[in-house]
Amino acid sequence: DQQVKQNSPSLSVQEGRISILNCDYTNSMFDYFLWYKKYPAEGPTFLISISSIKDKNEDGRFTVFLNKSAKHLSLHIVPSQPGDSAVYFCAASGNSGGSNYKLTFGKGTLLTVNP
Amino acid sequence: KAGVTQTPRYLIKTRGQQVTLSCSPISGHRSVSWYQQTPGQGLQFLFEYFSETQRNKGNFPGRFSGRQFSNSRSEMNVSTLELGDSALYLCASKTGGYTGELFFGEGSRLTVL
Repeated sequence: DQQVKQNSPSLSVQEGRISILNCDYTNSMFDYFLWYKKYPAEGPTFLISISSIKDKNEDGRFTVFLNKSAKHLSLHIVPSQPGDSAVYFCAASGNSGGSNYKLTFGKGTLLTVNP
Repeated sequence: KAGVTQTPRYLIKTRGQQVTLSCSPISGHRSVSWYQQTPGQGLQFLFEYFSETQRNKGNFPGRFSGRQFSNSRSEMNVSTLELGDSALYLCASKTGGYTGELFFGEGSRLTVL
């Protein structure tokens, strides 16, 4: 039962254009969402987060949008740079019994930014 | 401030053996979580420890176990290794609160032959 889904295994964009990575979730108790970036042979690093009381959070070139009614969030990277090429993981947590404190991750999307 | 440190970084075992992986969290962090990453499966949650107590557990068999010491360092153990246990095992720490980002180590790459 996959509660966090990233339906695009990969995405390829041109340098300077917008990258949009999507994530869907099924657990209505999730109320905190994060995006992580992972390079090969390294651990994931935190990018940006959003609480369910907001619908948008921005940090430099990265913006996360949350649509609670659709149980959908997206990460926008503008402009995309070759150094952004990595696997991006969406993660969620919620105050739901045994899910307290635990982050549930999607399977990741490999972003390739072409020069 | 030192990051999350995992040892060993790489190891090779054979089926039936057992393995112990170690994790030293960021100083001051009391929560340590373990994840398994395999190709196509993303990061699968194993368990989380907070103040030496297991606070959360994922859907892994009992062969996977862990513990946390009073200094917040954590170990995970996998007994009777199977080929399918080959994976990158990631440890992550945070201060301990409900929300907040996890800080990950670089992982321990386990290969089971």
